[in-house]
Amino acid sequence: DAGVIQSPRHEVTEMGQEVTLRCKPISGHDYLFWYRQTMMRGLELLIYFNNNVPIDDSGMPEDRFSAKMPNASFSTLKIQPSEPRDSAVYFCASSLHRLQGYTFGSGTRLTVV
Amino acid sequence: GQQVMQIPQYQHVQEGEDFTTYCNSSTTLSNIQWYKQRPGGHPVFLIQLVKSGEVKKQKRLTFQFGEAKKNSSLHITATQTTDVGTYFCAPNTDKLIFGTGTRLQVFP
Repeated sequence: DAGVIQSPRHEVTEMGQEVTLRCKPISGHDYLFWYRQTMMRGLELLIYFNNNVPIDDSGMPEDRFSAKMPNASFSTLKIQPSEPRDSAVYFCASSLHRLQGYTFGSGTRLTVV
Repeated sequence: GQQVMQIPQYQHVQEGEDFTTYCNSSTTLSNIQWYKQRPGGHPVFLIQLVKSGEVKKQKRLTFQFGEAKKNSSLHITATQTTDVGTYFCAPNTDKLIFGTGTRLQVFP
């Protein structure tokens, strides 16, 4: 298995632009999670899905952030419009069951200038 | 909401020395997971503890879950340079919430 695959690895964009981050979870994993990591706030859970359905989006910062999971093998996290304070590393993770260990992707390092 | 604090925040050790990081919660935890993140890398799952007083070992790593299930620890015996990274504890109720992490630096 190739693990959790995220793209792009790096993204540099100008303030106000739309940014879309992509994630392919491990096949057969029913849970998918989006995390954001910054020096100041550490690892924050943004949203998670179970069987493609959003279960908890209480960590999504504001309306500029949206996430979708149109099928079991693909999810997106969109920021529109992006702001410099959105600069962070965004991780996608998947797990077979909610209470088991998570497998993380390599992350997308987002820089908004 | 669920919060866990880890101490110390940073630890510098000489290669061969032991290292311990502690994870403390104000509430009783149903279980706790531990992750390691290398510099520039992503979190990697190490282990999950569920039972009160549970102790698990992985080679030089020893994980403990407190009797009251409010704290946990990770002990590394005879550190190596490959142990460098940040170690996170993460309670898992309905979702995984990461602790503040302990950054370990090992000098050869």
